[in-house]
Amino acid sequence: KAGVTQTPRYLIKTRGQQVTLSCSPISGHRSVSWYQQTPGQGLQFLFEYFSETQRNKGNFPGRFSGRQFSNSRSEMNVSTLELGDSALYLCASSLGSETGQRLFFGSGTQLSVL
Amino acid sequence: ILNVEQSPQSLHVQEGDSTNFTCSFPSSNFYALHWYRWETAKSPEALFVMTLNGDEKKKGRISATLNTKEGYSYLYIKGSQPEDSATYLCAKGAAGNKLTFGGGTRVLVKP
Repeated sequence: KAGVTQTPRYLIKTRGQQVTLSCSPISGHRSVSWYQQTPGQGLQFLFEYFSETQRNKGNFPGRFSGRQFSNSRSEMNVSTLELGDSALYLCASSLGSETGQRLFFGSGTQLSVL
Repeated sequence: ILNVEQSPQSLHVQEGDSTNFTCSFPSSNFYALHWYRWETAKSPEALFVMTLNGDEKKKGRISATLNTKEGYSYLYIKGSQPEDSATYLCAKGAAGNKLTFGGGTRVLVKP
């Protein structure tokens, strides 16, 4: 069974641009969550999607958005990039959205904003 | 405790020795406590998800305990091996799959 796939693996953008990251969950998983990893803040929750609906949202500005498609694939978008958005973005999938679900993480997208 | 905290931040262990480290979390509004292992250049991998006070989980040489009333969990590694070198993350689960992660404990096992 294929794992969680994130594309692209690396991305370099400049301030003010926008970026879209993609995540394909494990087949049969309907929940996709996104996390940001920075050296200073650790792993922080961005949002969770289940059945194409945003279920939970973290404490990030509106520049960060996401969506989920009918095949459970998810994208996150960051508009008007800032230097502080440089981070590793991880997505994770799980079977459902009930509390206590084990999350399966992708390898992440390393975003550098210059 | 306002946030999820892990201690120590890092530790060096001699191969064959056993070790343990702590995850502290707010005891209010408890849903679940997760442990993940994150090896360099790999994805975080789930070790345990615990939901009940007093839960004990075991996977090979690694085990974990949970005390939801006082807000802490211990992770134990018995007979550490070089392949146990990784960052171990704990996370408190809220409703849904929203996890609040601690800063991690970085374990280096020396041969």
